[in-house]
Amino acid sequence: QVQLRESGPGLVRPSETLSLTCTVSGASISRNYWSWIRQPPGKGLEWIGYFDYSGATNYHPSLKSRLTMFMHMSQNQISLRLTSVTAADTALYFCARTNDDSDFFDLWGQGIQVTVSS
Amino acid sequence: QSVLAQPASVSGSPGESITISCTGTSYDVGGYDLVSWYQQYPGRAPKLMVYEVTKRPSGVSDRFSGSKYVNTAYLTITGLQAGDEANYYCCSYTGLGTYVIFGGGTKLTVL
Repeated sequence: QVQLRESGPGLVRPSETLSLTCTVSGASISRNYWSWIRQPPGKGLEWIGYFDYSGATNYHPSLKSRLTMFMHMSQNQISLRLTSVTAADTALYFCARTNDDSDFFDLWGQGIQVTVSS
Repeated sequence: QSVLAQPASVSGSPGESITISCTGTSYDVGGYDLVSWYQQYPGRAPKLMVYEVTKRPSGVSDRFSGSKYVNTAYLTITGLQAGDEANYYCCSYTGLGTYVIFGGGTKLTVL
């Protein structure tokens, strides 16, 4: 059974860097695409970016200048770094397995709440 | 277009059917058969209910069905149950550089 679990700090100060990790069990991260998706409080879902099995990335244009995604193959983890955060980055962050043929998200982690505040 | 257009809320009584619409453009919903739908309970992770407009993942009830006409996709739920009360989001591949775009979400209330 494939499971995804997000981890990281729940509170980040404005202008600092947000770092999150998604640990995948039951499947190899080298065999799928993996996305990060976020949901601001009371709002809808927003795709942030994905990491594919070749190591290539695709980021949302609005976040491209601040976002980095990378893999830790030995630990079967996908990580996200978002720099210069503001209150607008406050959200519930999910990692999700991504079907690259048909562009849908078939498995999700439980999510991690991140608040940007001083 | 930043988000696909969904009604903020829909409601129905147990046993009834409801349909949620998801309107985009020819650059997303209308241009590709790559629409998916997700069910989300408050504070929980979304769950895939429909993909490629009409297909259901294994384990999803056949009470849930998807369709599309021109630039609008639809999710229909028949035989409404109390457990269907949740938020529903549509999602479509887009050729405009943001990979996929989500709808704003629809809150389904089972009366």
